[in-house]
Amino acid sequence: EDKVVQSPLSLVVHEGDTVTLNCSYEVTNFRSLLWYKQEKKAPTFLFMLTSSGIEKKSGRLSSILDKKELFSILNITATQTGDSAIYLCAVARMEYGNKLVFGAGTILRVKS
Amino acid sequence: GAGVSQTPSNKVTEKGKYVELRCDPISGHTALYWYRQSLGQGPEFLIYFQGTGAADDSGLPNDRFFAVRPEGSVSTLKIQRTERGDSAVYLCASSLGTSGELFFGEGSRLTVL
Repeated sequence: EDKVVQSPLSLVVHEGDTVTLNCSYEVTNFRSLLWYKQEKKAPTFLFMLTSSGIEKKSGRLSSILDKKELFSILNITATQTGDSAIYLCAVARMEYGNKLVFGAGTILRVKS
Repeated sequence: GAGVSQTPSNKVTEKGKYVELRCDPISGHTALYWYRQSLGQGPEFLIYFQGTGAADDSGLPNDRFFAVRPEGSVSTLKIQRTERGDSAVYLCASSLGTSGELFFGEGSRLTVL
């Protein structure tokens, strides 16, 4: 059975801190790993990773995938209160398009 | 519309009642997905449509759940004889093709009393 495990479940940091969120997975016929940010209801897309070792970057956020060790990390530098959200990791299989398997998420709270 | 639209945003119903949740995807998106998110959990796949047909309904929990997309655009998720365990946020998403970026709606929060 496909499985996605995120850690930590939650964390609280102060503005300006750097955080690292973890995602490990077990999936047959892996195609891609995706990160989403969920602030209220709708998850919004952050990154899609398909190749090992290639960092994807968007502003203060970056992510990398290790297909040998089956995990990914999401880094956020110089955190701001607007980064407070649930961060979701999901995996897609080759044959299943956007039928994603999600982890439970990491709740991040950034205090001012 | 500009994004995926879902109605109602909130629905409170009594155990045993029938509910319908509607999703209007981004114009031109052929693939439409329904996910369910319970408190403290990530979204869980229910069903996906490619055009008018349900390409994969393996995530529907039981036969009380049914979804349609008769004209290949708007979709309705139907839940019969609701139970308290059906309480969750029901998320709809659409994509251009089956592996393009997935765009989620704001969800419909269902509470079964």
